[in-house]
Amino acid sequence: NAGVTQTPKFQVLKTGQSMTLQCAQDMNHNSMYWYRQDPGMGLRLIYYSASEGTTDKGEVPNGYNVSRLNKREFSLRLESAAPSQTSVYFCASSQGWGQTNYGYTFGSGTRLTVV
Amino acid sequence: ELKVEQNPLFLSMQEGKNYTIYCNYSTTSDRLYWYRQDPGKSLESLFVLLSNGAVKQEGRLMASLDTKARLSTLHITAAVHDLSATYFCAVDASNSGYALNFGKGTSLLVTP
Repeated sequence: NAGVTQTPKFQVLKTGQSMTLQCAQDMNHNSMYWYRQDPGMGLRLIYYSASEGTTDKGEVPNGYNVSRLNKREFSLRLESAAPSQTSVYFCASSQGWGQTNYGYTFGSGTRLTVV
Repeated sequence: ELKVEQNPLFLSMQEGKNYTIYCNYSTTSDRLYWYRQDPGKSLESLFVLLSNGAVKQEGRLMASLDTKARLSTLHITAAVHDLSATYFCAVDASNSGYALNFGKGTSLLVTP
């Protein structure tokens, strides 16, 4: 099925460990995004990639890095996990500005717990 | 800084009743999005409103957009239990790759 695929779906980390969240889309979208969702906070933008080869910080980038590996894939890395990074992470994609389709597609999420 | 504010944040309503969720935003934008999220699930797109005065309806939900007032509403008609979920509005921002900026969400519970 077409869409955005995130892996893993669940992860438990110890404080200080590192990990990479993977995201891939098969809709030929130009733009990709990483969000975190915390109770009562809505979704907050961590990083985005407006097009292949570019990445930029969003609202809450501290403690994270990203890589736009190619047009399909956009990964999020936690270099040294902290309990404050316990959250649900969503990847999303869109065709980007100037396109006629303004739809955004979200992945199923990664539930991360840092202990 | 783009702000998106929803109210109410929590809403408990009886089946069969009508209610409206409000979404105010701080930037000039012609595009407003509504999503639904069930517990433990991802976001499901409900409506994309692309111009001033846009109105869209799907079943018991109707969304509208007033870009001059920077206000969107999501109206619920004759609520049923299946509508219990969290509803988010969002606005895209030109200064962040047109990423969606979300409100904090309205948690809706429909009771018998």
